[in-house]
Amino acid sequence: DAGITQSPRHKVTETGTPVTLRCHQTENHRYMYWYRQDPGHGLRLIHYSYGVKDTDKGEVSDGYSVSRSKTEDFLLTLESATSSQTSVYFCAISLDGNYGYTFGSGTRLTVV
Amino acid sequence: DAKTTQPPSMDCAEGRAANLPCNHSTISGNEYVYWYRQIHSQGPQYIIHGLKNNETNEMASLIITEDRKSSTLILPHATLRDTAVYYCIVRVQQGAQKLVFGQGTRLTINP
Repeated sequence: DAGITQSPRHKVTETGTPVTLRCHQTENHRYMYWYRQDPGHGLRLIHYSYGVKDTDKGEVSDGYSVSRSKTEDFLLTLESATSSQTSVYFCAISLDGNYGYTFGSGTRLTVV
Repeated sequence: DAKTTQPPSMDCAEGRAANLPCNHSTISGNEYVYWYRQIHSQGPQYIIHGLKNNETNEMASLIITEDRKSSTLILPHATLRDTAVYYCIVRVQQGAQKLVFGQGTRLTINP
């Protein structure tokens, strides 16, 4: 979607290695979110941010950390990747958290 | 946030109206109804939302019953590109409130 970019789009990594996924927006939206999507579980919120340096946990935050040092970037880090973190990761942005979220195209992460 | 119930799958003929139901019998007075869809492998896409009045935009119409316990998303002239999973979500309209996705309805538009 225009205004939100996720990188990389695909990544294969080994168990135990650190991985960082990046979400970049050009919309100057306040809220940013990281979701993961797995078969049988749908979309689940990992972490979200409501401003620079302001973040909070979602429902599946164990094993993940986030950082937001500037408005446009929201980073998701897997400190030590595990096979259970193999998933498709979606970033989303929202101007004020109330109305429509705009989602990125996703990052497909495979941990082997 | 209130729980929603949607049929797991539906079919609709191309060119016809697709009517997707959602039950949210425990909705509270300050909760809005949101609809998103996810086309295969893509990120979810916002469609429409409403509180108690019917809403229409360029994508769809949202009909909310008077008691607000259920709603229907209407795609007036479905096309093959409308084949997707449709999510009905109920949430309070506060900035810190997150979107919580259920399993949705898999809508298949048939030629």
